[in-house]
Amino acid sequence: EILLTQSPGTLSLSPGERATLTCRTSQSPDKISLAWYQQRPGQAPRLLIYGASIRATGIPDRFSGSASGADFTLTISRLEPEDFAVYYCQKYGISPYTFGQGTKLEIK
Amino acid sequence: EVQLVESGGDLVKPGGSLRLSCVASGFTFSAYSLGWVRQAPGQRPEWVSFISAGSSYIYYAESLEGRIAISRDHATNSVFLQINSLTADDTATYYCVRKARTAMVADFWGQGTRVIVSS
Repeated sequence: EILLTQSPGTLSLSPGERATLTCRTSQSPDKISLAWYQQRPGQAPRLLIYGASIRATGIPDRFSGSASGADFTLTISRLEPEDFAVYYCQKYGISPYTFGQGTKLEIK
Repeated sequence: EVQLVESGGDLVKPGGSLRLSCVASGFTFSAYSLGWVRQAPGQRPEWVSFISAGSSYIYYAESLEGRIAISRDHATNSVFLQINSLTADDTATYYCVRKARTAMVADFWGQGTRVIVSS
């Protein structure tokens, strides 16, 4: 089974700063696609990115995704107060369609 | 506006069963796959099941296969999840989701319904 490892576990930044979150797959990502979700406290997750780099409908352009080998990256260019949340990656293309363990983005 | 409204979550004893319901609105129900994702307290989400637009394809998570059944009703724009032989590991918030047309991702989520399995 292909595992997803997100890093860091917790990221402490200030509004206006740039955030870089990583999701690494345990095997070759050739047939894998990746999505990113944001989950604010007490809310359902929200789809941000799919296909590694395609923004979902209504997602601000400060969110971007990229891939390099087994590493997938979510970048938030300038943090807004509402961006502080937990972020999950999810793989698809090959089942099971598992989620990473999450990165908590907290206010420094 | 896309809306997914779940119901049916409850406190259930181990070994019991539950049927979760979700009513969808704001989009062409017959054109989308729908499914369920659950999330135990403090844990990552987990895809449970989804059913294709025409009900011809159904996915079940391997960890739950044999205990769950998903169905949909086009007359009421509803999707259902039957869960049997509940254990404490099934305690979670169950989200009804719409599967994106071109990817195995959940592009819209309901607010969730809580299932607690405890004696």
